[in-house]
Amino acid sequence: DTAVSQTPKYLVTQMGNDKSIKCEQNLGHDTMYWYKQDSKKFLKIMFSYNNKELIINETVPNRFSPKSPDKAHLNLHINSLELGDSAVYFCASSQDGGRAYRRNEQYFGPGTRLTVT
Amino acid sequence: AQKITQTQPGMFVQEKEAVTLDCTYDTSDQSYGLFWYKQPSSGEMIFLIYQGSYDEQNATEGRYSLNFQKARKSANLVISASQLGDSAMYFCAMREADGSWGKLQFGAGTQVVVTP
Repeated sequence: DTAVSQTPKYLVTQMGNDKSIKCEQNLGHDTMYWYKQDSKKFLKIMFSYNNKELIINETVPNRFSPKSPDKAHLNLHINSLELGDSAVYFCASSQDGGRAYRRNEQYFGPGTRLTVT
Repeated sequence: AQKITQTQPGMFVQEKEAVTLDCTYDTSDQSYGLFWYKQPSSGEMIFLIYQGSYDEQNATEGRYSLNFQKARKSANLVISASQLGDSAMYFCAMREADGSWGKLQFGAGTQVVVTP
């Protein structure tokens, strides 16, 4: 059983298009995240949701809109795609946002490689 | 300012040898957690080991151990008896105080290549 799954795995699209990435976790976790990994492999958080509620929006352009229909799902919709959006997008989940000193590790999905041409 | 610094962009290690990957962090919080993740060429992110700021013992998970030096703000990962399958990118990450809701801040990573 896949713990955190994402679809699609690859996404190739043209500038200006709108696209969505879906994420599902079957771990019963309360908190889900979107991270972006750029071409230099640097990972940066974009959003964090706890029990369907947006907790962190890390100054991401408004073209990115996450939606959490329920605790197990967190989707990412991107409008008017730009070349600079090309990256690998990872969904992750953890038991909760939790106390910083507790382990509460994040489980990552396989990633979605987005290429904007 | 960079919160997590990994100074080794890449390193080669021979099979069966031990390797230490450096990680220093910057925080003024008393409560924080440090994580190491592995990213093989297939792309997935795999959790390896965790160290809490209040933990008095260094964390160990199988062949992975963490050399935690709180005063120096360092959390180096030690991989013992390297295997070819250990070839991957390794990321150090930090989660700061309560209220950050789990936000992980990552270092730039260290690419490890294990040679026969």
